Amino acid sequence: DVKVTQSSRYLVKRTGEKVFLECVQDMDHENMFWYRQDPGLGLRLIYFSYDVKMKEKGDIPEGYSVSREKKERFSLILESASTNQTSMYLCASSSPAGRGTYEQYFGPGTRLTVT
Amino acid sequence: AQSVTQLGSHVSVSEGALVLLRCNYSSSVPPYLFWYVQYPNQGLQLLLKYTTGATLVKGINGFEAEFKKSETSFHLTKPSAHMSDAAEYFCAVSGSGSARQLTFGSGTQLTVLP
Repeated sequence: DVKVTQSSRYLVKRTGEKVFLECVQDMDHENMFWYRQDPGLGLRLIYFSYDVKMKEKGDIPEGYSVSREKKERFSLILESASTNQTSMYLCASSSPAGRGTYEQYFGPGTRLTVT
Repeated sequence: AQSVTQLGSHVSVSEGALVLLRCNYSSSVPPYLFWYVQYPNQGLQLLLKYTTGATLVKGINGFEAEFKKSETSFHLTKPSAHMSDAAEYFCAVSGSGSARQLTFGSGTQLTVLP
């Protein structure tokens, strides 16, 4: 069974802290994604990676960075957390273009609260 | 660029009634289309997908969707709603980027009334 895991289900951080959200997939997928989900806005893509050490900005990258040192692991970093980054963060993975039908598999999410 | 519009952020149906959740898309490339379901405090689970071939696709839990190219629509239906169908539903379309990343609609919250 396919599996995407996220390091925390719930996280509370203070303004200005550096925050790391970790995501691991066991499907040998090349592509990995980070989204944030807010009520009424659906899922918005923050960053994605299509290979180890490769990354691209999504629609809302400001205030975030990412790291992908190993194929199975994709980390989202909030350099200096702010209250407007309070949100649900979802990680996903998928097969690369040409080797699948592009459906993404999601982790359970991390609900981050910044106070 | 791709975009997805889901008509109706909240839909309520009675148990046993037809479920119809609407999705319209725009895409610059032949689209792959998806419906996902999200139960409270969980990630998204794939319900069904359209890639190529048959335009009526069947998914899990009795849901199905029909791809209508002329209407740029991919509406989700289920003949008879069950209480366990209460959840949020997202329509998504694949893009043409390096990872064929998905663009999601804003979601429809389905409530099933007893």
